[in-house]
Amino acid sequence: GAVVSQHPSRVICKSGTSVKIECRSLDFQATTMFWYRQFPKQSLMLMATSNEGSKATYEQGVEKDKFLINHASLTLSTLTVTSAHPEDSSFYICSALGTSGRSGTGELFFGEGSRLTVL
Amino acid sequence: GNSVTQMEGPVTLSEEAFLTINCTYTATGYPSLFWYVQYPGEGLQLLLKATKADDKGSNKGFEATYRKETTSFHLEKGSVQVSDSAVYFCALIAGTYKYIFGTGTRLKVLA
Repeated sequence: GAVVSQHPSRVICKSGTSVKIECRSLDFQATTMFWYRQFPKQSLMLMATSNEGSKATYEQGVEKDKFLINHASLTLSTLTVTSAHPEDSSFYICSALGTSGRSGTGELFFGEGSRLTVL
Repeated sequence: GNSVTQMEGPVTLSEEAFLTINCTYTATGYPSLFWYVQYPGEGLQLLLKATKADDKGSNKGFEATYRKETTSFHLEKGSVQVSDSAVYFCALIAGTYKYIFGTGTRLKVLA
């Protein structure tokens, strides 16, 4: 299947610093990517929809100034957690929806996830 | 609004036991239904899907049938293996690519 890669898989940072997480579609072009947050023993919560070349669409309750999303190319979207605090510690997952071919079927391809721990 | 309800886990089974994980949904229109699986330390991956009523999705011995009359998409496998231990998510999309996920059901299979 199509491959989506996230980096880093784990990051530990101090409170008040910013952390950038990258999401890359390795073998297809993804005009649309999604960022999710997964809390322990809970489902995935959609944070925002990232469209290449335009501003991200954030879900209600998600602070756009805190979670900066950039989708500058058809293969890369980044999530930056700004001025991170311990309550931002979580598992962040990206997914990508392709424009055609095997990735244009409505199936999402997920990255491996990035576990953020803010001390 | 659209929603997905899954049975709570964890589900613990012995190897070769029969598995059922219940999933029911609420949606406007005609959703597509999915089961995703998350193995330890990995991202979610599609297990199977069904796009219209009475469709049966199947993969790796798992099956689920889209039941419009009961708004259900229960996941079944006749004989589970230790390697099936994972978290299983039921999901739907209806009209857009905005997925709605259930809370996930953790399956643990004992040898």
